[in-house]
Amino acid sequence: GAVVSQHPSWVICKSGTSVKIECRSLDFQATTMFWYRQFPKQSLMLMATSNEGSKATYEQGVEKDKFLINHASLTLSTLTVTSAHPEDSSFYICSPWGGRPDTQYFGPGTRLTVL
Amino acid sequence: AQKVTQAQTEISVVEKEDVTLDCVYETRDTTYYLFWYKQPPSGELVFLIRRNSFDEQNEISGRYSWNFQKSTSSFNFTITASQVVDSAVYFCALSANFGNEKLTFGTGTRLTIIP
Repeated sequence: GAVVSQHPSWVICKSGTSVKIECRSLDFQATTMFWYRQFPKQSLMLMATSNEGSKATYEQGVEKDKFLINHASLTLSTLTVTSAHPEDSSFYICSPWGGRPDTQYFGPGTRLTVL
Repeated sequence: AQKVTQAQTEISVVEKEDVTLDCVYETRDTTYYLFWYKQPPSGELVFLIRRNSFDEQNEISGRYSWNFQKSTSSFNFTITASQVVDSAVYFCALSANFGNEKLTFGTGTRLTIIP
């Protein structure tokens, strides 16, 4: 069964609104969370890395005030896209790490469409 | 800096044909990990394989096989007797360590199996 869940799986919102995406690790504790973004027909690009209880580290070119990441617990991390604009429309994927030796898991993704 | 190149943007083959997806990587790390993921139309990444830089043995898993050649910095993926269900985007990825480390993805190869 799935070990990582994301909610919502898709969302459509109006420009200027904020959208919160949740990522849960279902059967392990995620000490680190990676958030990736994938534009249509493009590759996955890392947006930010967060460790539980610490501030996230953002990749170059990613606005930290626009993409708010909260990793307050070992099983839940949230990504909030504030004041979303059409150019933020993308597929957002979380990837928690908690020391499991077998693989690097990815969430099923959240498809965001900003009108 | 790490880089992964998947020169084949799109490939189409007729069902039951064999197909090889190329992956070339660049890294200055002496220890690193290579991955292949499958992304079907649903968007969820499916883990296929992880290989560390010290293990150059080729691997076979059913119809899938992987050829890791450190001398040419390549980690190619072959599907034998392709099936329609193999149609997806395939990503090769690289990380400096396994686990608590971001993945650098290639641009992906869109594979279409024609029935």
